[in-house]
Amino acid sequence: RKEVEQDPGPFNVPEGATVAFNCTYSNSASQSFFWYRQDCRKEPKLLMSVYSSGNEDGRFTAQLNRASQYISLLIRDSKLSDSATYLCVVRPRGGKLIFGQGTELSVKP
Amino acid sequence: GEEVAQTPKHLVRGEGQKAKLYCAPIKGHSYVFWYQQVLKNEFKFLISFQNENVFDETGMPKERFSAKCLPNSPCSLEIQATKLEDSAVYFCASSQSEGSDRYEQYFGPGTRLTVT
Repeated sequence: RKEVEQDPGPFNVPEGATVAFNCTYSNSASQSFFWYRQDCRKEPKLLMSVYSSGNEDGRFTAQLNRASQYISLLIRDSKLSDSATYLCVVRPRGGKLIFGQGTELSVKP
Repeated sequence: GEEVAQTPKHLVRGEGQKAKLYCAPIKGHSYVFWYQQVLKNEFKFLISFQNENVFDETGMPKERFSAKCLPNSPCSLEIQATKLEDSAVYFCASSQSEGSDRYEQYFGPGTRLTVT
């Protein structure tokens, strides 16, 4: 079983749609949680950190449920520029990042 | 510098040849991480350094792979006797701290290694 699991998609949605990505992780000792975005095999870039209290950044909302070991990302009013692969990332103690396999999003006009 | 720099951008090696990849972390960052991304977005952690000291090498293959971070030099990742399965994009990342949530890992543009 992978340490971090995501639905690989692809998710094909029209502009303006709301789309939700889910992720589960297996290591209950994991300390930090993130969503990264990767465009066309370029370097991953941090989209947002994820906290138990939930956090929002514009059209993006992230949630963490430690009891269920579940992380989510909600994108509202999706734009063409949101098309990318979204990586669920977990950091256990020690600094290294553990990546999910990524969920591909394609936003169509 | 303000960005993580990786060279070369592309590297092609025949099976059995040596490959050496370089990474210059952001100035002031004391942690360097190497990751390997093969097909289907599977990232694998290889090794991390705190300055010139190995911090975590639990992901490094025991054979053929080695890495260094020497003072006043770019960090390097070397693969002896490359195999076809080593074909991947190798990303380097740096951060000010290894685990504090305040310190993001910034990724370089990667080196695409193709073993033929």
